[in-house]
Amino acid sequence: KAGVTQTPRYLIKTRGQQVTLSCSPISGHRSVSWYQQTPGQGLQFLFEYFSETQRNKGNFPGRFSGRQFSNSRSEMNVSTLELGDSALYLCASSLRAVLQETQYFGPGTRLLVL
Amino acid sequence: GNSVTQMEGPVTLSEEAFLTINCTYTATGYPSLFWYVQYPGEGLQLLLKATKADDKGSNKGFEATYRKETTSFHLEKGSVQVSDSAVYFCALSIYNQGGKLIFGQGTELSVKP
Repeated sequence: KAGVTQTPRYLIKTRGQQVTLSCSPISGHRSVSWYQQTPGQGLQFLFEYFSETQRNKGNFPGRFSGRQFSNSRSEMNVSTLELGDSALYLCASSLRAVLQETQYFGPGTRLLVL
Repeated sequence: GNSVTQMEGPVTLSEEAFLTINCTYTATGYPSLFWYVQYPGEGLQLLLKATKADDKGSNKGFEATYRKETTSFHLEKGSVQVSDSAVYFCALSIYNQGGKLIFGQGTELSVKP
């Protein structure tokens, strides 16, 4: 089975712009979660989608949003980029996102905001 | 709230040394516990997991036991190799929020030949 794929892998934007990142989960997985990884804050949960519905949300401003399509692919959008949004954005997929399930991570999208 | 605390790194060991990376957690209810590993330039890979008290997760020579009485999930390996050099993350998920992992800050391990 193909793993979780994320596009693009690298992105450079300037302050004030917006960006859209894409995640394709493992075939058959219906849950997609997004995380932000920075040296200062570590790995922080952004949000989780299951069957096209946002099920959980982390403590991020409204500039961060996401959605999930009927084929389980997910996108996240960051509007009005700030320098502090520079990070590695990871998505993870699982079958149903129940307690014991493993989440499988993609390679990430590295975003640099100038 | 729910949180995970790991020992600070970096940890530097010689090849074949014994490894312990401490992890303690605070959680409501009974979480599932995970260790993930991140190699340079890559995403996270699951190393092992345990879903209830006294469970032992193991993989590739690494082990960790879910200790409810001490709220700990320490990672151990008897003999590390240079190829084990990576960043290790302890994480938990809680009931009704299975799609949300709460991570520790990560521990960088460097193994010298």
